[in-house]
Amino acid sequence: EPEVTQTPSHQVTQMGQEVILRCVPISNHLYFYWYRQILGQKVEFLVSFYNNEISEKSEIFDDQFSVERPDGSNFTLKIRSTKLEDSAMYFCASRRGDYSYEQYFGPGTRLTVT
Amino acid sequence: EDKVVQSPLSLVVHEGDTVTLNCSYEVTNFRSLLWYKQEKKAPTFLFMLTSSGIEKKSGRLSSILDKKELFSILNITATQTGDSAVYLCAVDNTDKLIFGTGTRLQVFP
Repeated sequence: EPEVTQTPSHQVTQMGQEVILRCVPISNHLYFYWYRQILGQKVEFLVSFYNNEISEKSEIFDDQFSVERPDGSNFTLKIRSTKLEDSAMYFCASRRGDYSYEQYFGPGTRLTVT
Repeated sequence: EDKVVQSPLSLVVHEGDTVTLNCSYEVTNFRSLLWYKQEKKAPTFLFMLTSSGIEKKSGRLSSILDKKELFSILNITATQTGDSAVYLCAVDNTDKLIFGTGTRLQVFP
C-alpha cells in the first residue's frame, strides 16, 4: 500500500541553523501539507501546497519557513534559522485530488533544536 | 475562532469493553470531519464523514456525524489491546485540518 515517507526520522540542530525536512508524498497525489505537533500539544496546520505554489499558510508559517517541490517526488520544508520553539514533530501529508479529501500522513520528523 | 474539542481526554478500559469517543466542533467552513488513530508517530486515517446520519463502519470501529449539533462520535466495540492509541478528530476547514487534542485510549487485558 502506498504511503507517505519522511526523512530524517530525527534531526538535532543548533539554534540559528538551517534545516530541511524531506517528504515523499504518495505518487499520484496532488495536494501536499505540512503540520507540526509540539510535544503534548495538538497537531497544527502549517501550510498547504498545490500546483507548485502555496495555497494557504498559518500564522506559524512565517518568513523563516519555506516549502518546495524540487522534483516530481520530493516535497521539502525548510526552516532558515531555527529557534528553540521550533522543536516539534513535523508531519507531511498528501491527498489525491479534487473531491478526494482524505489526507494521509507520513511518520514524521522529530526536530530537536538545542 | 475555529475549534475542535474531544472528550474524554483519557479512557482506560478492559479488553472486550465498548467505548465511545466524542468530538464537537465550531468551524467557519466545514468540508468534512476525519478520525485518525495515532500510535507512536503518524496519524493513521480511519474515517472521513461529510454527511449527517450516515454511519461509516470498519470492523469493530464505526463513526457518525451530526452536522446540526456539530459533533461526531467514534465507537469501538469489543476493544483489544491493539486499540490502545490516541484517537484524533480533525475538521477539514477548506483544505486545512483543525485537530482536537485527542482522546488517549488504554485497553488492558
